[in-house]
Amino acid sequence: AQRVTQPEKLLSVFKGAPVELKCNYSYSGSPELFWYVQYSRQRLQLLLRHISRESIKGFTADLNKGETSFHLKKPFAQEEDSAMYYCALFSGGYNKLIFGAGTRLAVHP
Amino acid sequence: SQTIHQWPATLVQPVGSPLSLECTVEGTSNPNLYWYRQAAGRGLQLLFYSVGIGQISSEVPQNLSASRPQDRQFILSSKKLLLSDSGFYLCAWTGKGRQGSGAFFGQGTRLTVV
Repeated sequence: AQRVTQPEKLLSVFKGAPVELKCNYSYSGSPELFWYVQYSRQRLQLLLRHISRESIKGFTADLNKGETSFHLKKPFAQEEDSAMYYCALFSGGYNKLIFGAGTRLAVHP
Repeated sequence: SQTIHQWPATLVQPVGSPLSLECTVEGTSNPNLYWYRQAAGRGLQLLFYSVGIGQISSEVPQNLSASRPQDRQFILSSKKLLLSDSGFYLCAWTGKGRQGSGAFFGQGTRLTVV
């Protein structure tokens, strides 16, 4: 069965501290993994995807197939990073897109 | 450019009344369409998805149903609402195949059943 697990509901850090939002997945095929972000009063939007191996707003995420993880990292958190972050898995065979429970990141001054 | 419209933005309905939420997509064809319910602590729960006209996959058995009468139209319905149907509903679309652009979301509908 396909599943996305985000174990932390809330992650609270101070500005300038490193951030790691955890995501683990369960999928028998070759998954496409994403991080989505929802800022206050805004629509949910794509942050980054594993296939492009990009850095967006200082965030990176590496797919670790051995550990079935796709953790989101940023070396120095900013206050504007405060938002809700969702890890997502797309199963191409079924065109199904599922999300984790989300982690709220709060960056304090 | 592609856009997604979802309405209404808010809705207050009495228990036992019917429901119809509509979602339409512009600027693309043959999208995958999704309905989610967003709840605090439970994230985005996939309710229904559709890969084509008339093709609906249900993820969670419940008091809701979905239909796709046209390529870019996705409707979430209920014949009789329950109090537990209250929540925030999101519509989304993706392209087919490799997800270069990811999913695009509507603004959401806040449903309160009273």
